[in-house]
Amino acid sequence: EVQLVQSGAEVKKPGESLRISCKGSEDSFTSYTISWVRQMPGKGLEWMGRIDPKDSYTRYSSSFQGHVTISADKSINTVYLEWGSLKASDTAIYHCARDVTSMDHSWFDPWGQGTLVTVSS
Amino acid sequence: DIQMTQSPSSLSAFVGDRVTITCRASQSINRYLNWYQQKPGKAPNVLIYGASNLERRVPSRFSGSGSGTDFTLTITNLQPEDFATYYCQQSYSIPLTFGGGTKVEIK
Repeated sequence: EVQLVQSGAEVKKPGESLRISCKGSEDSFTSYTISWVRQMPGKGLEWMGRIDPKDSYTRYSSSFQGHVTISADKSINTVYLEWGSLKASDTAIYHCARDVTSMDHSWFDPWGQGTLVTVSS
Repeated sequence: DIQMTQSPSSLSAFVGDRVTITCRASQSINRYLNWYQQKPGKAPNVLIYGASNLERRVPSRFSGSGSGTDFTLTITNLQPEDFATYYCQQSYSIPLTFGGGTKVEIK
């Protein structure tokens, strides 16, 4: 059974940079795309973008394009989410999730456990 | 972007009740609609994909229906472990979008 294990909670100051990670448990990691989903405190789910670890082809939501970078290192089954300059409004839980496709449908399964990012001066 | 609107945003119900949550898309998404359950402090888990396909391991008291713009998630015989927040999500086009969530609480 595939598992996604995310890096631990982070506390950062505004303007600092950060990279969080999501590591897959199986070598079939490159057979699927991986998405990142934001959940602000007490709020709902927002899709940020996704990457194909096989070739690092990436798609972003326009809401996040230019503010974050999604990358992958297929040699270690790991996907990253990176900020060059954090804002207080980036405080949230960030989930990675595998994009499963079957019968022309796609959905997220499994999800990582989430990484809490707190940005505060 | 396709907007997903869920209703109600919250509801209270008794164990054993039948609960219906609706999700409306701002344009037709055929049957490219998924439902997730999220419990406090946990990641979401898929319940239904393709509008009506039950994910394996998910109890049969959960069911989904709909196509086009209007969808429903029904929970029959509500169990204590079903008290959670439920989200719909369209997979028709990028950007993928979620509904705002429906919190199901104990009455």
